[in-house]
Amino acid sequence: DAKTTQPPSMDCAEGRAANLPCNHSTISGNEYVYWYRQIHSQGPQYIIHGLKNNETNEMASLIITEDRKSSTLILPHATLRDTAVYYCTRYYTGFQKLVFGTGTRLLVSP
Amino acid sequence: EPEVTQTPSHQVTQMGQEVILRCVPISNHLYFYWYRQILGQKVEFLVSFYNNEISEKSEIFDDQFSVERPDGSNFTLKIRSTKLEDSAMYFCASSEVSGRVAERDTQYFGPGTRLTVL
Repeated sequence: DAKTTQPPSMDCAEGRAANLPCNHSTISGNEYVYWYRQIHSQGPQYIIHGLKNNETNEMASLIITEDRKSSTLILPHATLRDTAVYYCTRYYTGFQKLVFGTGTRLLVSP
Repeated sequence: EPEVTQTPSHQVTQMGQEVILRCVPISNHLYFYWYRQILGQKVEFLVSFYNNEISEKSEIFDDQFSVERPDGSNFTLKIRSTKLEDSAMYFCASSEVSGRVAERDTQYFGPGTRLTVL
């Protein structure tokens, strides 16, 4: 039970921002939101994570709503190499596993 | 940049044979994990390992599976008697710590071993 909900697929034009939503309405106060992506069958690649505040790193930005029930991963200038399956996961620091759902398949087109 | 490595990249075996999948975690990491992904399906947690002990395991991780850290660098997953349904990508991951500070909880994955059971 992934306990996160993501759209199955999204399209984005190269150079535009890609905004990938995730619903985690039952998230508890101790759970972080982690985002990974998987290109073809490669190992999941860490992107970003957050608890309450918005976060930004060299790959992406993460916007978490004030009630923490949803979040949005933003790739500011998508490239063709960003075509991948993006997973929003919940991680509770008391446990030691990531629970992956089916993710969003992002297709970046020229 | 440090990364998790896995060998072999592809393993083909006959049903009933034993296989050992190998991983070299990031050097200063203390927690190690195995996940698997059956073709077209989700990535699933198998087991976590710390201080030479299993910390947590899933229902998938039955008596046919075992993990070991045989030396200071390798982390292995053994499947004692492979079944057709064990065919999958197996991913090793490692993290610096677990359950304490989220920055250092981040799990980094290897490229995977594709296991094909005939």
